[in-house]
Amino acid sequence: GAGVSQTPSNKVTEKGKYVELRCDPISGHTALYWYRQSLGQGPEFLIYFQGTGAADDSGLPNDRFFAVRPEGSVSTLKIQRTERGDSAVYLCASSLTPKGQGNYGYTFGSGTRLTVV
Amino acid sequence: AQKITQTQPGMFVQEKEAVTLDCTYDTSDQSYGLFWYKQPSSGEMIFLIYQGSYDEQNATEGRYSLNFQKARKSANLVISASQLGDSAMYFCAMREGGNKAAGNKLTFGGGTRVLVKP
Repeated sequence: GAGVSQTPSNKVTEKGKYVELRCDPISGHTALYWYRQSLGQGPEFLIYFQGTGAADDSGLPNDRFFAVRPEGSVSTLKIQRTERGDSAVYLCASSLTPKGQGNYGYTFGSGTRLTVV
Repeated sequence: AQKITQTQPGMFVQEKEAVTLDCTYDTSDQSYGLFWYKQPSSGEMIFLIYQGSYDEQNATEGRYSLNFQKARKSANLVISASQLGDSAMYFCAMREGGNKAAGNKLTFGGGTRVLVKP
């Protein structure tokens, strides 16, 4: 597609429920990233995929968070037993090269706003 | 210590004037990259400009320029001839780590909100 697509754009869920957030990167971008942005703050890194594998998952806050990218394109971020503190905007980004440097940068989607009530 | 510091939480700027957004960073790596992103109210992060640690010249992209002072670990963004559409949050970010896989993630500052006045 023309840009990074994230669905849903908004998700409201009850505490304790399971949610899945989807990211469809730019076609041909091998690198995919998930970030979490809390209100009034900058995005914080969660996980990075190169192809199908998670090359760096050091930002996942705990074992309730998990992400997959089975075919090297679409990725799903999964959150189990959601807590109110998980409420944030979840941003996905992709890049043509792992470093995202130069004119390519990292292209971000518009995010999924997750609200846990 | 914070890796990326943006000390200006909010700024007003008059339309058509220039504005400088401050960013200082902290790293022990020799190879790193610095990015600026714009985030309008719609939420999307829009890539503005990139500066590599080994680039000898300051990066420029249209009305955006990056004042890179390596010794001071400073990478300020200058927006010239501000427009009403420039009103947004602006984030400075750094990529560290050379060729290691861990070096592909971005670390963001807390952002600066810019409001352009007509």
